[in-house]
Parts: sequence; C-alpha cells; structure tokens
Amino acid sequence: LAKTTQPISMDSYEGQEVNITCSHNNIATNDYITWYQQFPSQGPRFIIQGYKTKVTNEVASLFIPADRKSSTLSLPRVSLSDTAVYYCLVGEAPSSASKIIFGSGTRLSIRP
Amino acid sequence: ETGVTQTPRHLVMGMTNKKSLKCEQHLGHNAMYWYKQSAKKPLELMFVYSLEERVENNSVPSRFSPECPNSSHLFLHLHTLQPEDSALYLCASSQDGHGGNTGELFFGEGSRLTVL
Repeated sequence: LAKTTQPISMDSYEGQEVNITCSHNNIATNDYITWYQQFPSQGPRFIIQGYKTKVTNEVASLFIPADRKSSTLSLPRVSLSDTAVYYCLVGEAPSSASKIIFGSGTRLSIRP
Repeated sequence: ETGVTQTPRHLVMGMTNKKSLKCEQHLGHNAMYWYKQSAKKPLELMFVYSLEERVENNSVPSRFSPECPNSSHLFLHLHTLQPEDSALYLCASSQDGHGGNTGELFFGEGSRLTVL
C-alpha cells in the first residue's frame, strides 16, 4: 500500500481557496487518489477521485502532477461548514475491499 | 442519508454486558466494513466482508465478533469489553472489484459506544 503524508492541520478564512497537498511517493501504476471529508461524530464522505491531471466536480478540484507522487485537493471559496478532517487515500479503484486504509488526515479549520 | 444505517446511535454498556451493533446498507453493494475511531486517532479498519466472506481481520481482539448474514446486513457482537474500547464504530459499504466503479466507501452515521 502506498503511504500518504499530509499536513496535520490547516487554518483559513471564509471565502478563501484552500489547497491541501498529499504526498504519495510510492504510488503504484494501478493506484487512484481519493479524498474523503469527515465531520465530527460522522462517517467520512467521498469528495473526489482521480488518476492523473485534473479532476473537478461540484465540490472540489483535484490536481495530480505527471509523476503522480503528490496530489492537491482544492476547495474554492470555503465556508465555515468546510471545517472538517480531510483524508487522502491511495489505492486501486475499483478498490479491493481490504485496501481502504485511512491515515491521520488534515484537520481544516475555517474562521469567519 | 448515505444509504447505510447503523443502530443504535449511542450505546452504554458495562464490561460484563453483551450487546450488538447493527448495520444495514440499501445500496446493493457487495462489500461491508467495520471501522473503529477513537478520540484523536485515525480510523482503524477492523473487519472486511466481501460477498459475505470475511476477507480481513486486522488483529482485532476476540471480544469483537462480526457477523455478515447477507450482503445487506453486518453485525458487530460485543462482549466483555474494556473501557478503552469506547469509541465511534463506523460501518461502511462499497461495490468491490467491478470495473467502472470508484470503489467509493459509503459510511453510516456511526454507533458511539461507551464502556463503563
């Protein structure tokens, strides 16, 4: 399994763009990059997934450079409700059931 | 509403009690999971079932006993727990091993367990 490294915490303000970077130097050819969001006392929620270049949906964008050794989750114009823990996961997709392992995540705090 | 329902949402039990956590998914998925989340710790994968067969048990103590009677239901039977087992227990499901899917995990709201 490819190990991921992401900042423990980040702070930002409402209306700003937030970029959270994840390092995954040992990513394998078949691995996808997936991001989840977790609010307190709730289960994580899928945000976005990508393999290379750029993926965008209604919630976020995911930027993946050509070497795929890192990825950046971009949250445009954050609000207070974006305060949560964000997890970067690397693994095969469709993922084998036994390979979905969560790291420590990045605790994002948004201030007024 | 994620399509994964967990009951009870809160449970308080003594160390000698026997209780069970229940999870039901309405998504037609073929894989189900139990995760444990203690305060200030990452999610820990406890058990994985794929096509109703247990495929992974990450060295979980035997006082936790999973049961998957069919692809829609998953139980976690609890007996003689310790106070350090107090945590949020999360159930999830996914569609495993088929092309065209993201392998996305769908989580329930969790069962908050307190062991006295």
